[in-house]
Amino acid sequence: DQQVKQNSPSLSVQEGRISILNCDYTNSMFDYFLWYKKYPAEGPTFLISISSIKDKNEDGRFTVFLNKSAKHLSLHIVPSQPGDSAVYFCAASAYQGAQKLVFGQGTRLTINP
Amino acid sequence: KAGVTQTPRYLIKTRGQQVTLSCSPISGHRSVSWYQQTPGQGLQFLFEYFSETQRNKGNFPGRFSGRQFSNSRSEMNVSTLELGDSALYLCASSLVFSGNNEQFFGPGTRLTVL
Repeated sequence: DQQVKQNSPSLSVQEGRISILNCDYTNSMFDYFLWYKKYPAEGPTFLISISSIKDKNEDGRFTVFLNKSAKHLSLHIVPSQPGDSAVYFCAASAYQGAQKLVFGQGTRLTINP
Repeated sequence: KAGVTQTPRYLIKTRGQQVTLSCSPISGHRSVSWYQQTPGQGLQFLFEYFSETQRNKGNFPGRFSGRQFSNSRSEMNVSTLELGDSALYLCASSLVFSGNNEQFFGPGTRLTVL
């Protein structure tokens, strides 16, 4: 039972363009959402989060959008840079501060020069 | 500030054996969580420890256990290893009272079961 789904295993984007990574969830009890980035041989690193009371959160080149009615969130990276090439995980939790995170399976983003 | 450290980084075991993995959280962090990452299942939550007590548990069999020491360091143990236990085991620590969920992950221990 995959409660958080990232349906695109991989995504290839040209440098300078926008990267859009998508995530769907099924559990309506999820209240807080996070994105993590993972490079090979390293642990995931936190990127950005959003609470269910918001529909958008921005941090520099990264913006997360949340559509609660559709149970869908997306991460926009603009402009995309070669260093953004990594695996991106979407995660959800029951409330802000909860330590149990439910992760999606990840999307491998490749930025082409 | 030093990050989350995990030891060993790589481990090879055979079926039926048991294994203990170690995690040292960031100084001051009192919550430690463990995750299993496999190609098919992604990252799955194993359990979380806070103040030496297990607060949350994922859907894993009883062969998977853990503990936390008074200095917040944590260990997880897997007994009677199965081939399917081959995975990257990630530990994450967090400053529980920071008001957000941000967890800081270690580099992981790659366990291979033969």
